[in-house]
Amino acid sequence: DAGVTQSPTHLIKTRGQQVTLRCSPKSGHDTVSWYQQALGQGPQFIFQYYEEEERQRGNFPDRFSGHQFPNYSSELNVNALLLGDSALYLCASSSRRGTQYFGPGTRLLVL
Amino acid sequence: AQTVTQSQPEMSVQEAETVTLSCTYDTSENNYYLFWYKQPPSRQMILVIRQEAYKQQNATENRFSVNFQKAAKSFSLKISDSQLGDTAMYFCAFMRYHGSSNTGKLIFGQGTTLQVKP
Repeated sequence: DAGVTQSPTHLIKTRGQQVTLRCSPKSGHDTVSWYQQALGQGPQFIFQYYEEEERQRGNFPDRFSGHQFPNYSSELNVNALLLGDSALYLCASSSRRGTQYFGPGTRLLVL
Repeated sequence: AQTVTQSQPEMSVQEAETVTLSCTYDTSENNYYLFWYKQPPSRQMILVIRQEAYKQQNATENRFSVNFQKAAKSFSLKISDSQLGDTAMYFCAFMRYHGSSNTGKLIFGQGTTLQVKP
């Protein structure tokens, strides 16, 4: 049984560029949540998708957007990248039982 | 708004000994979940243990157990027989119970770095 997968594992971008990160949930899960984790900090909630709609959103600007596909996989898009967007981006999937299981993350470096 | 506080930035323990990591939280909710996640140097976030607030019995998973004090809003993690592989950053997390088909967001503490020494 495959767990949560994310791609790519690492990414380097320059300021002003746009980036798309991808996540495939654990089998049987229908909800995907995205988190941003700066080095040495706890993860911060970005948003959550269920039934292809954004259901909850944290304190992140509109430059952060997402999408969920019919197969429950999800994308996180960040426009107009800033240096401060450099972080580990974690995807977590869950089912009705509520426990979120995390993928290995995508490390984004903005230069 | 809910908050989670981990007051111990760093801790160390000798292999085979027991260590307790502290966590307190603030909420006005009555129904919620609490979690401990472990993040080793690989930065993969791994679920350690989960506690439902409505359950009085403390959760246990092998060498990991919690002391859940709902009135005091305290949720500590005890690791028995510590192993070198337990070296990691440990995060306490809170999630409000939604009662619908989707789940809530996780609110994390700042983390405690645990070093297990041989």
